[in-house]
Amino acid sequence: DGGITQSPKYLFRKEGQNVTLSCEQNLNHDAMYWYRQDPGQGLRLIYYSQIVNDFQKGDIAEGYSVSREKKESFPLTVTSAQKNPTAFYLCASSIFSGRHLADTQYFGPGTRLTVL
Amino acid sequence: EDQVTQSPEALRLQEGESSSLNCSYTVSGLRGLFWYRQDPGKGPEFLFTLYSAGEEKEKERLKATLTKKESFLHITAPKPEDSATYLCAVQASGTYKYIFGTGTRLKVLA
Repeated sequence: DGGITQSPKYLFRKEGQNVTLSCEQNLNHDAMYWYRQDPGQGLRLIYYSQIVNDFQKGDIAEGYSVSREKKESFPLTVTSAQKNPTAFYLCASSIFSGRHLADTQYFGPGTRLTVL
Repeated sequence: EDQVTQSPEALRLQEGESSSLNCSYTVSGLRGLFWYRQDPGKGPEFLFTLYSAGEEKEKERLKATLTKKESFLHITAPKPEDSATYLCAVQASGTYKYIFGTGTRLKVLA
């Protein structure tokens, strides 16, 4: 079955720790995204990557870092510089057709991060 | 500024009571509008993509329509299993970023 997997499902972080969230897709999609979801707010874009070895900051990139060494993988690191990291994190992917019409995003199951 | 507004924030329906959810958008040019369903603690599940005004798409009890300023998600004869949060998103011309609304929480009572 093709899809997007995220791990772990639940993650607990102590103050001052860096943690890494995993995102893997076997849809052969070029583009991958990380979003943060907080209650009462729309999904906010953290980082996105359209091709391997290239990524761009989204609207709330401060305190986060990513890498895109393989097409299938787009891990997100939440650093100690992120002051309020408790949230639900969603990874998504899409083809990157480069055409005028939008490409549909598909989402993984999410990781809930809690700061202790 | 590109923006997406969904209404109502929450909606309670009796089983079988049809209704519509609204997604109003302001973008410089629309590349596409998306509807997703999200259950608590899970990732959004893709429902529909609409590209141009006048376009309609259907799936079971759901029908999505699009005008130049808004989209509606019509729910016909809903069942309790349709209870979820429904998210709307747009992608504007000249960008590969997606803008999401805050969602409509739908509760269907048996």
